[in-house]
Amino acid sequence: GESVGLHLPTLSVQEGDNSIINCAYSNSASDYFIWYKQESGKGPQFIIDIRSNMDKRQGQRVTVLLNKTVKHLSLQIAATQPGDSAVYFCAENAGGTSYGKLTFGQGTILTVHP
Amino acid sequence: KAGVTQTPRYLIKTRGQQVTLSCSPISGHRSVSWYQQTPGQGLQFLFEYFSETQRNKGNFPGRFSGRQFSNSRSEMNVSTLELGDSALYLCASTPTVNTGELFFGEGSRLTVL
Repeated sequence: GESVGLHLPTLSVQEGDNSIINCAYSNSASDYFIWYKQESGKGPQFIIDIRSNMDKRQGQRVTVLLNKTVKHLSLQIAATQPGDSAVYFCAENAGGTSYGKLTFGQGTILTVHP
Repeated sequence: KAGVTQTPRYLIKTRGQQVTLSCSPISGHRSVSWYQQTPGQGLQFLFEYFSETQRNKGNFPGRFSGRQFSNSRSEMNVSTLELGDSALYLCASTPTVNTGELFFGEGSRLTVL
């Protein structure tokens, strides 16, 4: 039968606003988390990562927060720009010595209006 | 430095055929992973290779196979194509295996008719 497409969550913001994208994970064994950005027609692009021994990590205009108690991850983008419009994915790795095997979330569509 | 290169970028096949997709990682990167991206299932892990050895395999049928060559280039093959194999196939490389900072190519868009 015909497959049903994922209904991705969407977030629409004005240029200059701060954006918060949320992600829930289910695997308690996951100890490494990554955020990726995917623009139309391109492959995902690494944004920032965080390991389970941290609860916050900051990059350039981005901050990732990890709450292991409720298995929740968030990506905060400061002063959002039109170029930030993309689909954002959280990804997790369940440990071990190999990080190429990631489990991706469904994604969130971020639209930034000028 | 050149990015991850995937060929072909677009291809159309019919059910029952087979397809081979190629990936050239960033120079110096020895780990290559493959992912399938579809509207229905999102991004799903297929394989991971390091130094010509398959380190991990995702939950895909045996029709999906891959390999890595001594120059770190990788190929994946799908035999007996089904309509549901229509997808964007993404290859990613990293310099080592202990980082989740994957560098993705732009993908090979496969359409199965």
